Amino acid sequence: GQQLNQSPQSMFIQEGEDVSMNCTSSSIFNTWLWYKQDPGEGPVLLIALYKAGELTSNGRLTAQFGITRKDSFLNISASIPSDVGIYFCAGPIQGAQKLVFGQGTRLTINP
Amino acid sequence: DGGITQSPKYLFRKEGQNVTLSCEQNLNHDAMYWYRQDPGQGLRLIYYSQIVNDFQKGDIAEGYSVSREKKESFPLTVTSAQKNPTAFYLCASSTTARTTNYGYTFGSGTRLTVV
Repeated sequence: GQQLNQSPQSMFIQEGEDVSMNCTSSSIFNTWLWYKQDPGEGPVLLIALYKAGELTSNGRLTAQFGITRKDSFLNISASIPSDVGIYFCAGPIQGAQKLVFGQGTRLTINP
Repeated sequence: DGGITQSPKYLFRKEGQNVTLSCEQNLNHDAMYWYRQDPGQGLRLIYYSQIVNDFQKGDIAEGYSVSREKKESFPLTVTSAQKNPTAFYLCASSTTARTTNYGYTFGSGTRLTVV
């Protein structure tokens, strides 16, 4: 079935650093979604991507839809303490009204 | 404001007891979903429903049951048959026409602990 692999699984960075994470699949996706989950809360949608090669920003966050449609990247610039959490990529499963999620990237920031 | 509400936030259960987690949405969404999240793990789909009075098993349905008698509500029962029920449970909803483009709206979760 369709699966999403995220890397890295966890990141430990200093405040102010830039962050990069990615999501890959052996299957083609027509939509890529990036969510953030704060500790003890539900995930919240950050960015949605709909077209191969698309680059979309949301404040300090930038995400790209890979040209092959089998990967996506999320970058965070100048990290701040509230960026801490788990970042999930997700994509719609073909033929079904549901999403598949990656395993998540846990971001920890040292002040 | 429209949203999706899970209650309670924290729940404790004795071994051998059934417990029901509540999920209510006022977004007029057709589809609703239940996920389980274990520490350091991703999201695993338990059950989902795309329309009232209909639901489908997800990847880890054993030991769980659901009902969808109303569009707004999708309660999850964790039965005594679930061998390892301690986890964080997330409910989500979406319009069936927009799931593939806009994803889900999630609740804030219920943390279940078996004592």
